[in-house]
Amino acid sequence: DQQVKQNSPSLSVQEGRISILNCDYTNSMFDYFLWYKKYPAEGPTFLISISSIKDKNEDGRFTVFLNKSAKHLSLHIVPSQPGDSAVYFCAATLGGSQGNLIFGKGTKLSVKP
Amino acid sequence: DADVTQTPRNRITKTGKRIMLECSQTKGHDRMYWYRQDPGLGLRLIYYSFDVKDINKGEISDGYSVSRQAQAKFSLSLESAIPNQTALYFCATSDNRDGYGYTFGSGTRLTVV
Repeated sequence: DQQVKQNSPSLSVQEGRISILNCDYTNSMFDYFLWYKKYPAEGPTFLISISSIKDKNEDGRFTVFLNKSAKHLSLHIVPSQPGDSAVYFCAATLGGSQGNLIFGKGTKLSVKP
Repeated sequence: DADVTQTPRNRITKTGKRIMLECSQTKGHDRMYWYRQDPGLGLRLIYYSFDVKDINKGEISDGYSVSRQAQAKFSLSLESAIPNQTALYFCATSDNRDGYGYTFGSGTRLTVV
């Protein structure tokens, strides 16, 4: 059973508009959440993270929101740029000695000029 | 030089052959991981190692083996390759003190014919 779910395989937005990527999880013990970005022919790279004790973390154009009661997090990109076109993976971890990341299936974002 | 280097970048092999994928890192991290990416399935954990003497199976370890030759080196072997092991393979590392963020290599594209 998938513990981290990204139900939208793809998303297309216009340059300058907001991109919202969603992620749901089932394990209430997860204590840290991360977003990774992946370009073709490259490995995933860390984008932004949030601890379970927070509900928002912002870094420039990227903001991650966490709703623990709904077991839902989202990544907002404002404004979206063509260079943001990539696959975005949501990941979660139990932390500590069990710090393996569990990844969602990814959402392919296309930002059109 | 890249922090996490995977060799080879691309490989085509025949069914039944033994093949080894190699990973080396210069980050000084204790933890190393092997992931597999398939279209629509995201990143799935094959094996992980928290130090040289520690090897653990991940979600999909059947058909694979690993060797942690040194802190900096972690290799993945397919003893007898089969076509459904055709995939993109990623090595990753993380710091023992903060196991949350991973640094990924650029990946090895393996095709088994």
